[in-house]
Amino acid sequence: AQSVTQLGSHVSVSEGALVLLRCNYSSSVPPYLFWYVQYPNQGLQLLLKYTTGATLVKGINGFEAEFKKSETSFHLTKPSAHMSDAAEYFCAVTRMDSSYKLIFGSGTRLLVRP
Amino acid sequence: ETGVTQSPTHLIKTRGQQVTLRCSSQSGHNTVSWYQQALGQGPQFIFQYYREEENGRGNFPPRFSGLQFPNYSSELNVNALELDDSALYLCASSAGQGFSSAYEQYFGPGTRLTVT
Repeated sequence: AQSVTQLGSHVSVSEGALVLLRCNYSSSVPPYLFWYVQYPNQGLQLLLKYTTGATLVKGINGFEAEFKKSETSFHLTKPSAHMSDAAEYFCAVTRMDSSYKLIFGSGTRLLVRP
Repeated sequence: ETGVTQSPTHLIKTRGQQVTLRCSSQSGHNTVSWYQQALGQGPQFIFQYYREEENGRGNFPPRFSGLQFPNYSSELNVNALELDDSALYLCASSAGQGFSSAYEQYFGPGTRLTVT
């Protein structure tokens, strides 16, 4: 069975600082991994995804994530935080059955200090 | 191109009542998935519809039911509402079945349901 753990329910960084949001997964088969962002009172927006191939994945808004099989991790990073990055971030893995449903972590709220 | 829309945006119901939430999928998409997001938690998969047939269900009781229409829009129905049903309900649309249904999944803004 697939599952996702996001370490840290809240992460606070200064504007311009490195953003690092942690995600570890559990999967008995090669996973498909996703990061979504949710702004207040909005739905989820896909930031980036890993399926196969290159393990360093670049997404929108300057975010990237690296799939590390040996560490079962898919951490999200951004070199320099902007105030507009303040939001809730969710890591997700697909369930490998006919529905390919997304299994989400509990989320990390990113706070950006001026 | 119209994105995923959901209605209503907010809803207040009383315990024991029934509710219907609606979702219009993005143009060209024939798969709709529903998720429940309780406050402070990640979304949880309720079920998925592909071409009007249920195609996978999460750990939700039978009082959660759904429909998909020929135009691929969808409804989520919840009977006998309980206080714990208070949540943001998200609809996501995608094209195709299987992997492609997760690969490119577009979420609507959600319906906030409050049960009192």
